Amino acid sequence: EAGVTQFPSHSVIEKGQTVTLRCDPISGHDNLYWYRRVMGKEIKFLLHFVKESKQDESGMPNNRFLAERTGGTYSTLKVQPAELEDSGVYFCASSQVMREGTQYFGPGTRLTVL
Amino acid sequence: SQKIEQNSEALNIQEGKTATLTCNYTNYSPAYLQWYRQDPGRGPVFLLLIRENEKEKRKERLKVTFDTTLKQSLFHITASQPADSATYLCALGADTGKLIFGQGTTLQVKP
Repeated sequence: EAGVTQFPSHSVIEKGQTVTLRCDPISGHDNLYWYRRVMGKEIKFLLHFVKESKQDESGMPNNRFLAERTGGTYSTLKVQPAELEDSGVYFCASSQVMREGTQYFGPGTRLTVL
Repeated sequence: SQKIEQNSEALNIQEGKTATLTCNYTNYSPAYLQWYRQDPGRGPVFLLLIRENEKEKRKERLKVTFDTTLKQSLFHITASQPADSATYLCALGADTGKLIFGQGTTLQVKP
């Protein structure tokens, strides 16, 4: 069974540019989560999809971040325009069940904003 | 706001010894708590879950305790091996599935 995949693995962009991160969850997992780890800090929750619906987006930093999950399959996270403080590692995770579900994490996308 | 503290920045122990990692939290009542392992350049990998009404859970060489009065979880690795060297993350779980992570403790097991 394929795990959670994320693309790209690394992205280096300049301040003001746009970047789109993609996450492909494990097939059949309705729950998809985005997290972010900024240098030196803990992994922080960004948002949670159940199928194609946003269940919880309380962790989204501001309106420069837009997440979508087309047809309840893969998800994208767009940052537009990117700022320096957006640099970090963005993780995607998926799970079969919500409460107490084992979350399977992807390898992350390392985003560097110059 | 919720706060999670995991003990020390790094823990160095000798192979064969028991490693004990601490997770303390405040301003939160989690429905459950999970422990994850993270290796450099990879995403976290789930290890164990313990519910709020459970005191202890075991899985092979791993043991987790959960004290909701003290707001603390302890994570033990017995008979530690160099392959156990990694960063271990404590995560508080909500009914919605959202996880709140601690900063992690880096464990180094020396042969």
